[in-house]
Formats: sequence, structure tokens, C-alpha cells
Amino acid sequence: QQQVKQSPQSLIVQKGGISIINCAYENTAFDYFPWYQQFPGKGPALLIAIRPDVSEKKEGRFTISFNKSAKQFSLHIMDSQPGDSATYFCAASMGGQAGNKLVFGAGTILRVKS
Amino acid sequence: GAVVSQHPSRVICKSGTSVKIECRSLDFQATTMFWYRQFPKQSLMLMATSNEGSKATYEQGVEKDKFLINHASLTLSTLTVTSAHPEDSSFYICSARRGAASTDTQYFGPGTRLTVL
Repeated sequence: QQQVKQSPQSLIVQKGGISIINCAYENTAFDYFPWYQQFPGKGPALLIAIRPDVSEKKEGRFTISFNKSAKQFSLHIMDSQPGDSATYFCAASMGGQAGNKLVFGAGTILRVKS
Repeated sequence: GAVVSQHPSRVICKSGTSVKIECRSLDFQATTMFWYRQFPKQSLMLMATSNEGSKATYEQGVEKDKFLINHASLTLSTLTVTSAHPEDSSFYICSARRGAASTDTQYFGPGTRLTVL
């Protein structure tokens, strides 16, 4: 119930295309869903985050779509660029006794071909 | 804003020695700091949660006597890997959170690459 399942494991997209990464969760107590981008040898950096009372959030080329009933959320990267090539992690957290800890998905390695 | 630093960025040590890694929030006070380890091509694994002035809470399977965490101030947490062995070689990443709510953002440090020979 604490897991966040992420797919695909890896993704190759042409420059200018749309990259889509999906995540699913079971525990409805999760109340915060961030996406992190990580380059090799670096720490993760927050990209965008959403709360379950919102169905979509857009920041520049990055959009989170959130489906509360299906317990799924996804990251869309529009006009993908070679500089977007990185590993992307979805995550979820909840308050209370869970200690507000982040539960991470397994990660998706994105490669944007120029 | 919201910058988290780690020091050192890379460390190589001999088996049996202890290594200390520092995590600092540079421009905000962090009520909570977290320590993760990450193996190549894998996700982040939470090791422990650290609140300023109190004992760290360790995740199941993480040896608290081996991975000593000290959160001395609202801007500094340290992780000491005691009697390090080659299997402790990994990428250690800290994060810091400004507030106490689950919706408060965790900001990650750049990571420390530990290699134990």
C-alpha cells in the first residue's frame, strides 16, 4: 500500500515530441505528489508537484495530470529537448504517523534524441 | 532559494574507517532532514528521518549504530558511516524540508559518492 508504481522503466523520444511517464498508487491517504528530475551524479531536483484536489497542473513544458478515482498521475513533457534527458521519479507523501516521508517510484530513464 | 549543500561530494576510504557526510540548508531553516542512499540505476531508498534536537528515526533494516545521524541545528545534519565496508559504497543524498507538513517541498542536496576500498 505504500508503493508507488512507475512506468515505463525507460523511454526514448524524438526531439520535439511528448514524453509521458505514468505512476499509480494504492494508498488514498497520500496527499502530495511531486515529480523529481535527476541527472547522473546529481541529487534530484523538484520539477512540479500536485495535490489531489487538482486534476492538472502546468508549469512551462511540464504538466501533471492527476486522476484521483483511478489513483494515477502522470508527467507530460511537451516539446521534449535533448537537455531533458535524465531520470525522472514520481513520489507521494502523506502526513500523520507516516511522518510526511516521500515514497518514490522506481524511476524512468528518459532519452530525447536530437 | 532553497539550496541544500553536501560535503564532501566524493570520498574514498579504506575498509574499517568512519566517514562523516555533512548536509546543510543554506538559505532556510529545515525542521526535518532526510538521508537516502541510491545504488546505480535504482531509486532513492530512505534511510532515516532527522528532526533538529531529537533522535533520528531509522527505516526498517537500516542499522542505527552503523549510520549515525546528528541533527545539531536547523541548518545542519550529519551522517557518519562507521566502520565502513565495501558494501556501504553508494551515493548518499540528503534532503531538507522547511515545514512539517507532507505538502512541504523536500529539497535535495547534490549527493555524496562514497567508495570503500
